[in-house]
Amino acid sequence: EIVMTQSPATLSVSPGERATLSCRASQSVSSNLAWYQQKPGQAPRLLIYGASTRATGIPARFSGSGSGTEFTLTISSLQSEDFAVYYCQQYNNWLTYTFGQGTKLEIK
Amino acid sequence: QLQLQESGPGLVKPSETLSLTCTVSGGSISSSSYYWGWIRQPPGKGLEWIGSIYYSGSTYYNPSLKSRVTISVDTSKNQFSLKLSSVTAADTAVYYCARMWQWLDYWGQGTLVTVSS
Repeated sequence: EIVMTQSPATLSVSPGERATLSCRASQSVSSNLAWYQQKPGQAPRLLIYGASTRATGIPARFSGSGSGTEFTLTISSLQSEDFAVYYCQQYNNWLTYTFGQGTKLEIK
Repeated sequence: QLQLQESGPGLVKPSETLSLTCTVSGGSISSSSYYWGWIRQPPGKGLEWIGSIYYSGSTYYNPSLKSRVTISVDTSKNQFSLKLSSVTAADTAVYYCARMWQWLDYWGQGTLVTVSS
C-alpha cells in the first residue's frame, strides 16, 4: 500500500499571504495525485488532479506541483474562504486510492 | 449538474451490517467513463477509501476492509449500495459516496453512521 504523508499537520498563515502544503508518497506515484479541500460539515471538494491541473471552477490562486514522491499545493494569496483542511490522494495503483492525513490551514 | 445523495440508517448495532445507498441524479450511473464508490471519515479524522464499482458490476475494495464489504449497483434505479458487515465502534464515521475515475470529482453530502448498542 502506498502511504501518503502530509506536512505540516497544521499551518497558520495570515490572509493575503502564501501557503505551501506538502505531500509525500512512500513510493513513486508519477503525477497521479489529487488535492482536495474540506470545510467543516462539508464533503471534500476536488481542487487539483494530475498533480498540477486545476479542477473546473477552482481559482488560479491554487496551484499544484511535483511528481514522483514529492508534491506541493500552493495558495498564492489566502482568502478567508481558503481556511480549511486539505488532503492529498494518490491514484497510481489502478482503482485503489489512499489519502494523506490532512493539513489544517488556519488563520494566523 | 450531477448530484449524489446517501441514504440509510444513522444508527447500527455492533456486529450487525451497515447498509447505505447512493442515489445519482443529473447523470447516468451507466456512464462508461466512471466508477462509483464509497469513502468514509471517522469523526475528527481523515478520509478512507472503502471501495468502488463500475456499472457492469466490477468491484474494487480496500484490502483492509475487503472481507466485510460488498458494493452493488442497480442501474435501473441509478443507485449503488454499500454493505459493511460485523461492524464495531471503529466503523462509526461519515460515509460519502462519490464519482471516481482516478480522482473523485463529485461527492455526496455524507451521512453519519454511528455504531452503538
